Amino acid sequence: RKEVEQDPGPFNVPEGATVAFNCTYSNSASQSFFWYRQDCRKEPKLLMSVYSSGNEDGRFTAQLNRASQYISLLIRDSKLSDSATYLCVVKGGGFKTIFGAGTRLFVKA
Amino acid sequence: DAMVIQNPRYQVTQFGKPVTLSCSQTLNHNVMYWYQQKSSQAPKLLFHYYDKDFNNEADTPDNFQSRRPNTSFCFLDIRSPGLGDAAMYLCATSREAGTSGNNEQFFGPGTRLTVL
Repeated sequence: RKEVEQDPGPFNVPEGATVAFNCTYSNSASQSFFWYRQDCRKEPKLLMSVYSSGNEDGRFTAQLNRASQYISLLIRDSKLSDSATYLCVVKGGGFKTIFGAGTRLFVKA
Repeated sequence: DAMVIQNPRYQVTQFGKPVTLSCSQTLNHNVMYWYQQKSSQAPKLLFHYYDKDFNNEADTPDNFQSRRPNTSFCFLDIRSPGLGDAAMYLCATSREAGTSGNNEQFFGPGTRLTVL
C-alpha cells in the first residue's frame, strides 16, 4: 500500500460544477497535511494547509478525518483556470514529506 | 518577485557526465529540499538541509549529492547521470520542518534534466 494514495482521475467537469478529491494516508502518526496544485510542466504551488477543524478559502474547502486517515478537497463553482493536478501532501514528524501522485482535473466550458 | 530560483531551467547532459543544478532562495528559510519528479509521478524527496545539517533519504542513490554553502544556496550534484535520472528536479524551502507551523514548502520552477 502506498503511503499516500489519490485517485489519479482525470476528473472532467463542466464550469460551475462542484468536485471533490480524496486522499488517504497510511501513517497514523502523520501530523501536517496540505493540498498543492501543479500545472503542466510547472512546480507545485501551495493551495492550502489542512487543519483538524477543516478550513475554507473562497471556493476551496479542505477537511481532515484522522480516524479514517483521509483528507479531502472540495472545489465549488469550478473555473476553467482550476484545471490542474492536485497533489495531496502528508508530513510525519520532522522532515518526512510524502506527496501523492496527484489527481488531474479538467474543467470544460 | 522570485523567491525560490533554480538554474538552469533546462539542462542537457551526456550519460555519465557530472552535472550540477542550482537553487537559491530569498526567503531566509531554514530548510531546503531537493525533489525528483518524473512524468505523471509524485515528487520524490531526495534529501534536505536544516540549516547546515544534511539529511539523506534512505533510498536516495549515492549518485546524488548535495551542498549548501550558505543559507541562500543549495546545489544538487549528479555524479554520473544515467538515462533513468532524466526528470524534473525541484528545489523547495520551508521556514521550519516540524509540525507546529511554518512548515509549508515553497517550490522553485524546477530544472528539467535530459540525459543523452
